[in-house]
Amino acid sequence: GQNIDQPTEMTATEGAIVQINCTYQTSGFNGLFWYQQHAGEAPTFLSYNVLDGLEEKGRFSSFLSRSKGYSYLLLKELQMKDSASYLCAVRDGDYKLSFGAGTTVTVRA
Amino acid sequence: IAGITQAPTSQILAAGRRMTLRCTQDMRHNAMYWYRQDLGLGLRLIHYSNTAGTTGKGEVPDGYSVSRANTDDFPLTLASAVPSQTSVYFCASSEAAGSTDTQYFGPGTRLTVL
Repeated sequence: GQNIDQPTEMTATEGAIVQINCTYQTSGFNGLFWYQQHAGEAPTFLSYNVLDGLEEKGRFSSFLSRSKGYSYLLLKELQMKDSASYLCAVRDGDYKLSFGAGTTVTVRA
Repeated sequence: IAGITQAPTSQILAAGRRMTLRCTQDMRHNAMYWYRQDLGLGLRLIHYSNTAGTTGKGEVPDGYSVSRANTDDFPLTLASAVPSQTSVYFCASSEAAGSTDTQYFGPGTRLTVL
């Protein structure tokens, strides 16, 4: 089976930076995704990494190290609207997505 | 822009009843997926379809069935609902399975089985 771990909860202050770590052990690897999910809503795509290194998209960046089975999502200049769950998902050797349980980020004023 | 629609939005169902959750996408995506999301467990794949006419089992397929008669629709049926099937169900689609395509999610159906 797949094993994807991420912290359950994180709290940060508006304007700060938060880093959400994700470690994984999967049967094969075909990319890692980060999704954002606001309470009561559908997950929405944030980022995709398939090669080692950092992908930057505005205030959000995602990093991948395949040899370490490790990724992080970096949220900069936090805004209240960033309060949400962040889901780490790995595409395995059969091209199926396996999701972590999600990290709930609370942004405080 | 509709994307993916799901119906109903929410449903309360008596145990033992049959229920079909509907999912329709207008993006002409080849691949479609059904997930359930439970607190503390994350999203788990129930069934998937790589293209119209084909389906496959995911991580938690027991008690569920799907069909894919055409590109747009991917209904999920609970033949005889049980309380452990209380969950939020998300349908998703991607342009093609077996590629780097991103999955896009519908708004979800919240199902309660009593």
